[in-house]
Amino acid sequence: DQQVKQNSPSLSVQEGRISILNCDYTNSMFDYFLWYKKYPAEGPTFLISISSIKDKNEDGRFTVFLNKSAKHLSLHIVPSQPGDSAVYFCAARPGIGVKLIFGTGTRLQVFP
Amino acid sequence: NAGVTQTPKFQVLKTGQSMTLQCAQDMNHNSMYWYRQDPGMGLRLIYYSASEGTTDKGEVPNGYNVSRLNKREFSLRLESAAPSQTSVYFCASSRGGKETQYFGPGTRLLVL
Repeated sequence: DQQVKQNSPSLSVQEGRISILNCDYTNSMFDYFLWYKKYPAEGPTFLISISSIKDKNEDGRFTVFLNKSAKHLSLHIVPSQPGDSAVYFCAARPGIGVKLIFGTGTRLQVFP
Repeated sequence: NAGVTQTPKFQVLKTGQSMTLQCAQDMNHNSMYWYRQDPGMGLRLIYYSASEGTTDKGEVPNGYNVSRLNKREFSLRLESAAPSQTSVYFCASSRGGKETQYFGPGTRLLVL
């Protein structure tokens, strides 16, 4: 039972354009959502997060949107750069406990 | 400040052999975690330690044991390795259970 789903395994975007990565979740008790970025042969690195009481959080080129009614999360990268090419994981934290539930990841490729 | 370090980087085992994966963090974090990453499965929590002296099971604890040696170190032991344990293992730490998790570079394990 996959509580956090990233239905697009891959995404290809031209440099300078917007990248939109999507994530759906099933558990309405999640209180915090995070995006991690992972390069090959490295560990995931934290990118941006959002609390369930907000609907938007922005950090430079990265913006995360949360639609609680649709149980949907998205990460916008504007403008996309070749260095953004990586696997992006969405993660959610249940209100109780310390665990993070990860999605399966979306591989983003930004081409010139 | 090295962050989270893991040893070894890569290991090949035969079925039935045992080994211990080491993890250390120098960020004075209280909580530490072990994940495995498999193709198409995202990251799954094996065990975690919310604070020094405590350990708890995650989603996929079978076949593993952990030791929180001190505040800095959290090891993962495979007593009798199986091919199903072939995976990439990541250690992570966070200041507290609800804080952002920071990941190590990973250990690639191949069980033949």
